[in-house]
Amino acid sequence: EAEVAQSPRYKITEKSQAVAFWCDPISGHATLYWYRQILGQGPELLVQFQDESVVDDSQLPKDRFSAERLKGVDSTLKIQPAELGDSAMYLCASSLAGGLQDTQYFGPGTRLTVL
Amino acid sequence: RKEVEQDPGPFNVPEGATVAFNCTYSNSASQSFFWYRQDCRKEPKLLMSVYSSGNEDGRFTAQLNRASQYISLLIRDSKLSDSATYLCVVPNAGNNRKLIWGLGTSLAVNP
Repeated sequence: EAEVAQSPRYKITEKSQAVAFWCDPISGHATLYWYRQILGQGPELLVQFQDESVVDDSQLPKDRFSAERLKGVDSTLKIQPAELGDSAMYLCASSLAGGLQDTQYFGPGTRLTVL
Repeated sequence: RKEVEQDPGPFNVPEGATVAFNCTYSNSASQSFFWYRQDCRKEPKLLMSVYSSGNEDGRFTAQLNRASQYISLLIRDSKLSDSATYLCVVPNAGNNRKLIWGLGTSLAVNP
């Protein structure tokens, strides 16, 4: 069964450092999502791509976060500089076309700890 | 009313019990709803989609009450492996292409 790949699985960094996360969606999925999930809460959408275009980044803290999906396939999420409050699980998901009835398939996530 | 609201629990039930969770939503125009399951330290996975009055899949039943704006998830004959967090997902108000996730309801099934 096809899966969403993410790396690294775990990342520990000091505040003010830069971190980057990578996601490879299921082949053929046009829509890619980056979520942040704080322990005990539901996922919060950070950015949504349709192919290589951003369709929603309203919740992305743009002063420190950036995301790209240059060729419409894999994607990178970057944080610079990292802050203590950024400690969370960063989940990537993909769906076939981004429709509301499309199932979102999640990767295993990257657990970020900022010291 | 919050866009999506769930009872966080935790719900502690014995094996074999029937348990139900509710999820209330604010957008009366929402047409589709989802229940995702998330195991501890794992990613969410789709459990059920609800487009009309409800959906049933084995021991799991999702029911939609549009008048009162809530969806419920019923689990019959609980198994130990049902222990997880159950996340309710609803399209948000004003933008039907964006999904809003609830905080989740934690279930622990005990032997």
